[in-house]
Amino acid sequence: GAVVSQHPSRVICKSGTSVKIECRSLDFQATTMFWYRQFPKQSLMLMATSNEGSKATYEQGVEKDKFLINHASLTLSTLTVTSAHPEDSSFYICCASGAGGRVETQYFGPGTRLLVL
Amino acid sequence: SQQGEEDPQALSIQEGENATMNCSYKTSINNLQWYRQNSGRGLVHLILIRSNEREKHSGRLRVTLDTSKKSSSLLITASRAADTASYFCATDVTGGGNKLTFGTGTQLKVEL
Repeated sequence: GAVVSQHPSRVICKSGTSVKIECRSLDFQATTMFWYRQFPKQSLMLMATSNEGSKATYEQGVEKDKFLINHASLTLSTLTVTSAHPEDSSFYICCASGAGGRVETQYFGPGTRLLVL
Repeated sequence: SQQGEEDPQALSIQEGENATMNCSYKTSINNLQWYRQNSGRGLVHLILIRSNEREKHSGRLRVTLDTSKKSSSLLITASRAADTASYFCATDVTGGGNKLTFGTGTQLKVEL
């Protein structure tokens, strides 16, 4: 299957700083990227959907000014958590879609664990 | 919002036994997928079943889909300790733009 990478895999930062998470589709063109968040012992919750070259669409309750998403190319999307606070500590997972022309196929990255002190 | 509810929330069985997890959802779907997640790790895609399919097999996994009841089940036969993980169903909702909505998950523990 297709490969999606995320960087960094783990990050610890101080409260108030911004953190950028990269998601790359390594061997296909991802027309759509989904960003999920998973708190401990909970399920994955969709945060936003981004299509290459367009503004992201955010789910209800997700602050677009706090979670900045950029999808400037078909192989790279970034999520920036601005002015991170301890409650933003979570597991962030990207998901790339549109691989090989099969719309139903989604490929998940390995996730980024964020800890805000 | 959570599309799917899974039960049981937690399941503990002995190695060699079968494990069955159920998933219910609310709206029309294109397909339903099952994923496994080991503690603190990423997702592993297990199986995808389309809305016009009723049953699918992959190794020790058997998935059923009943669109009239809006439910699916995942059966793991002859379980192993290595099957210990959280299992999630995820629905690709019709008209949802290909995004997946995850169920609440089942924590499976397989004991030796």
